[in-house]
Amino acid sequence: DTVLTQSPALAVSPGERVTISCRASESVSTLMHWYQQKPGQQPTLLIYLASNLESGVPARFSGSGSGTDFTLTIDPVEADDTATYYCQQSWNDPNTFGAGTKLELK
Amino acid sequence: EVQLQQSGAELVKPGASVKLSCKTSGYTFSNYYMSWLKQMPGQNIEWIGNIYGGNGGTGYNQKFKGKATLTVDKSSSTAYMDLSSLTSEDSAVYFCARVYTTDYFDYWGQGVMVTVSS
Repeated sequence: DTVLTQSPALAVSPGERVTISCRASESVSTLMHWYQQKPGQQPTLLIYLASNLESGVPARFSGSGSGTDFTLTIDPVEADDTATYYCQQSWNDPNTFGAGTKLELK
Repeated sequence: EVQLQQSGAELVKPGASVKLSCKTSGYTFSNYYMSWLKQMPGQNIEWIGNIYGGNGGTGYNQKFKGKATLTVDKSSSTAYMDLSSLTSEDSAVYFCARVYTTDYFDYWGQGVMVTVSS
């Protein structure tokens, strides 16, 4: 299975820019997607196909990358962005998720 | 408005089976795949499999073959997942999620907690 590696946690101050990385163990082309999950809630889609912003998601969120290296950027970070962020690939079967990056605000 | 409403929490005994439901509204059920996913407490999300609302065609993660069985009822726009021979390793939150084109998940149910305990 394709392993997606994310840094476990980040802490930033409101108003700053944060980048969350996701590295795949093999190429996933641009079939990488990002989700936000707050405690006790279901994940919500932020970015699909590496760089496309889901409808209704603030433009503070953006995604980039292809192949094996991807990033999710939040600029500027707001207090409500405290959550865990997951990447998911759908190029290789089975589709897989990263372990998540927990974003905390200082 | 697209909605996926899952059934309530389950407490089941080891060795038993459980059937989870995901009732949908706000879109044409038969035009989309539905996936089921597993999230153990504080852990990663795993894709279990998907099922096409139009004809019930399925695809499974090899890891969950024999554990999960996916079905649909088109008349009620509801997807189901049967989990069999439950053990403590099956204790988790299970989500249903609508699959969009290239296998990403654009709408999710609220999740259902399954606890396997004697």
